[in-house]
Amino acid sequence: DAGVIQSPRHEVTEMGQEVTLRCKPISGHNSLFWYRQTMMRGLELLIYFNNNVPIDDSGMPEDRFSAKMPNASFSTLKIQPSEPRDSAVYFCAGGQGALAGGPHTGELFFGEGSRLTVL
Amino acid sequence: AQTVTQSQPEMSVQEAETVTLSCTYDTSESNYYLFWYKQPPSRQMILVIRQEAYKQQNATENRFSVNFQKAAKSFSLKISDSQLGDTAMYFCAFMNRLSEKLVFGKGTKLTVNP
Repeated sequence: DAGVIQSPRHEVTEMGQEVTLRCKPISGHNSLFWYRQTMMRGLELLIYFNNNVPIDDSGMPEDRFSAKMPNASFSTLKIQPSEPRDSAVYFCAGGQGALAGGPHTGELFFGEGSRLTVL
Repeated sequence: AQTVTQSQPEMSVQEAETVTLSCTYDTSESNYYLFWYKQPPSRQMILVIRQEAYKQQNATENRFSVNFQKAAKSFSLKISDSQLGDTAMYFCAFMNRLSEKLVFGKGTKLTVNP
């Protein structure tokens, strides 16, 4: 398996533009997490899904952020409009949740991250 | 809400020596996992070791071991025979087994010197 695939790896955009980050989890994994990493705040959990359903979005900073998981193999994180303070590395991670059946270890598998710079 | 605290922002160790990274957490739950993840300069997050809260025995993975003190809510990572490749950010993390929500500490930057 290719692992968790995120795109784009790097994105530079101007303030006010819409940004869409994409994630393809490992096949068979039914939980998916979006994290944001900055020097100041570390790794913040933005939202996570279980079986494509959003479970907890309390970490989403504001209404400018939205996330979807239309099917088990794809998720998006959208920022509209983007602001300079959104500059960060955004990670997608997935795992085999307890409801997926099989052994539950809690381990999450991370993508390589999308580095976003908003000018 | 669960919180994870790593009190050592940076640490350094000489190659081949042993180093211990500290982590404390706060929870009212009894059923949970604890993890240490490593993030090298390449940015990829990698699982180092995991511990299930109901297990009293400390987890061990080769040169990596933990000291899990459930009553004290402490979960430290010991790296023996440190290698240059161990240079990375290390994150302690907590997962509630019911909600499956994974929360990270702020991380400890470890540098292994030759």
